[in-house]
Amino acid sequence: EIVLTQSPGTLSLSPGERATLSCRASQSVSSRYLAWYQQKPGQAPRLLIYDTSIRAAGIPERLSGSGSGTNFTLTISRLEPEDFAVYYCQQYGTSPPYSFGQGTKLEIK
Amino acid sequence: QVQLVQSGSELKKPGSSVKVSCKASGGAFSSYSFSWVRQAPGQGLEWMGGIIPVLSTSDYAQKFQGRVTITTDESTRTAYLELSSLRSEDTALYYCACDILTGHFMGRFWGQGTLVTVSS
Repeated sequence: EIVLTQSPGTLSLSPGERATLSCRASQSVSSRYLAWYQQKPGQAPRLLIYDTSIRAAGIPERLSGSGSGTNFTLTISRLEPEDFAVYYCQQYGTSPPYSFGQGTKLEIK
Repeated sequence: QVQLVQSGSELKKPGSSVKVSCKASGGAFSSYSFSWVRQAPGQGLEWMGGIIPVLSTSDYAQKFQGRVTITTDESTRTAYLELSSLRSEDTALYYCACDILTGHFMGRFWGQGTLVTVSS
C-alpha cells in the first residue's frame, strides 16, 4: 500500500505570494498517476491536476503540478483569495487502495 | 456536463447496513469509472473502493474488504455503495466521484456527499 505524506501540514501565506505544496509517496507512483484536489469548507473536493501535471478543465494557469517517482509538487504562482483551502494529493496508478495524502491547509497570513 | 446526485442522509444503528446511491447524468455510462470516498468529521479523504461498469470490475481498499460492496445499475445510471456491520467509526460524509476520460479511479466529478451517522 502506498502512503502519501503531504507537507507542510499548514501553510500561512499572503495573497500574491507563491505557494509550494509537497506530496511524497512511500514507493514510486506508477506512470505519474498523481492528482491534486482542493476542498473548501462544506464543499466536495474539486479536481485541480491529474497525471501529475495536467490541469483539469477551468483550472487557471497559475496552478501547476510537477514531479515523478516519489516526489510531487503543486505550485500556485500568485495566490488569490479563493485559493485558501485544504489541498489533497491522491495516487491512482498502483494497485488499490488509491490513497490520499492527509492534506495541507493553506491559510491567509 | 457530468453530474452526480447522491441519496439523502442516513441514521443507522451499530451492526446494521447502509446503502448509498449515486445517480449519474451526462456522458456515456460505459465510460464511467466510479469511486467512493469518505470523510470523517474534521478528517481527510479516504478511498474505499471503485467500479468500472463496462468491465464489471471492482476494487476495494483492504481495510473495507468483506464489509463493502460497490455495484452499478446501467439501466438507471446509478452506482451504489453498501457498507455492513456499521460501527460508530463509520460516521462520515460519503462521496461518490467519477472520471469519464481515463478509466482511472480519480475524481474528475463529485457528488454532493451523503452523511451517514452511526449511533445507538
